[in-house]
Amino acid sequence: GQNIDQPTEMTATEGAIVQINCTYQTSGFNGLFWYQQHAGEAPTFLSYNVLDGLEEKGRFSSFLSRSKGYSYLLLKELQMKDSASYLCAVMDSNYQLIWGAGTKLIIKP
Amino acid sequence: DAMVIQNPRYQVTQFGKPVTLSCSQTLNHNVMYWYQQKSSQAPKLLFHYYDKDFNNEADTPDNFQSRRPNTSFCFLDIRSPGLGDAAMYLCATSRGQESTDTQYFGPGTRLTVL
Repeated sequence: GQNIDQPTEMTATEGAIVQINCTYQTSGFNGLFWYQQHAGEAPTFLSYNVLDGLEEKGRFSSFLSRSKGYSYLLLKELQMKDSASYLCAVMDSNYQLIWGAGTKLIIKP
Repeated sequence: DAMVIQNPRYQVTQFGKPVTLSCSQTLNHNVMYWYQQKSSQAPKLLFHYYDKDFNNEADTPDNFQSRRPNTSFCFLDIRSPGLGDAAMYLCATSRGQESTDTQYFGPGTRLTVL
């Protein structure tokens, strides 16, 4: 079956760095997406990786290793507004998005 | 601004009373999706349309139906809502279904079933 695993919850301190991991097992691979979702709101697109390596976008970076079925989202200089759930999603061979359940990130002052 | 709009944001219905949720988009995207998301769970794809081509997920209950009368609008009909159908319903759009076609989400409709 297809599976996306990510931690349920993480806690970090304002101003610090946090890394949210995602491992996947899917039938085929056409890219990995990270979305941010604030409580009660819709997911918003953060990043897309299809080749191995690191993609940097401001305070957020996303890394992919296809051979390991692994990605992480790195958030730097954490702000209180970064408190949200972060969802990892993989596009499979049928171009369908397979979603993880999300990692709830709690930022403490 | 181009966007995905969902109405209403909050919907309350009675057990068994039909309800319709609506989604519209100004992005002129070809693909529209309906997801169901329960608390702390992954979004679950119910249907998607590529233009007028309807695709029903195998495990989507018959209680859920969808209509896409034109490119801009898509509706989700729940014929006989049960307590287990209380969830956030998310509409999303994408230009196509290639790997680089990001899905953009509307704000969602939170459905409560009494």
